[in-house]
Amino acid sequence: GAVVSQHPSWVICKSGTSVKIECRSLDFQATTMFWYRQFPKQSLMLMATSNEGSKATYEQGVEKDKFLINHASLTLSTLTVTSAHPEDSSFYICSASRTGLYEQYFGPGTRLTVT
Amino acid sequence: RKEVEQDPGPFNVPEGATVAFNCTYSNSASQSFFWYRQDCRKEPKLLMSVYSSGNEDGRFTAQLNRASQYISLLIRDSKLSDSATYLCVVSYNDMRFGAGTRLTVKP
Repeated sequence: GAVVSQHPSWVICKSGTSVKIECRSLDFQATTMFWYRQFPKQSLMLMATSNEGSKATYEQGVEKDKFLINHASLTLSTLTVTSAHPEDSSFYICSASRTGLYEQYFGPGTRLTVT
Repeated sequence: RKEVEQDPGPFNVPEGATVAFNCTYSNSASQSFFWYRQDCRKEPKLLMSVYSSGNEDGRFTAQLNRASQYISLLIRDSKLSDSATYLCVVSYNDMRFGAGTRLTVKP
């Protein structure tokens, strides 16, 4: 149990376009989902925390108008990178939790390349 | 100072070796501690939680020293399949990841 999927796993887009990444908890209801970003050889950096039905809480330095997060159901959260630029190229990983902070199950990640 | 610091390595060890990783954290109010394993271009996977009393899971032993604010992971009898990046994770209000220590086990 506790499987989290992400789609797409890999995407290339042109600068200025928007990209939507989906995160799904397949066999449990996730009250909280987290979005992380990881640049090569660096640690995962938390971007935002989202609870189902409420607005996401963004970490300092993360532009909420650029990284739109929607957590419309207990099994789905989406991250939309709007007007993507090459510096947004990164590995985006979501995690989902049933009980809160300490029990996070990670999705396989989405590798975004902006050309 | 980074919130969670790890020696980036790489650690290159032969099969069967014992290897130890350390991690230090800056927030003394941190409450939970974990070691995750991350394979190249994959998501992190929980390896084990770390408790003050120390805990062992097969060949893996984790220790926590709250007074010195460091966490350790010991891998005994290392296998080729242990090659990965090991992430130290410290939690207070959220989870903070170290940059990871890369381990390569060679035949």
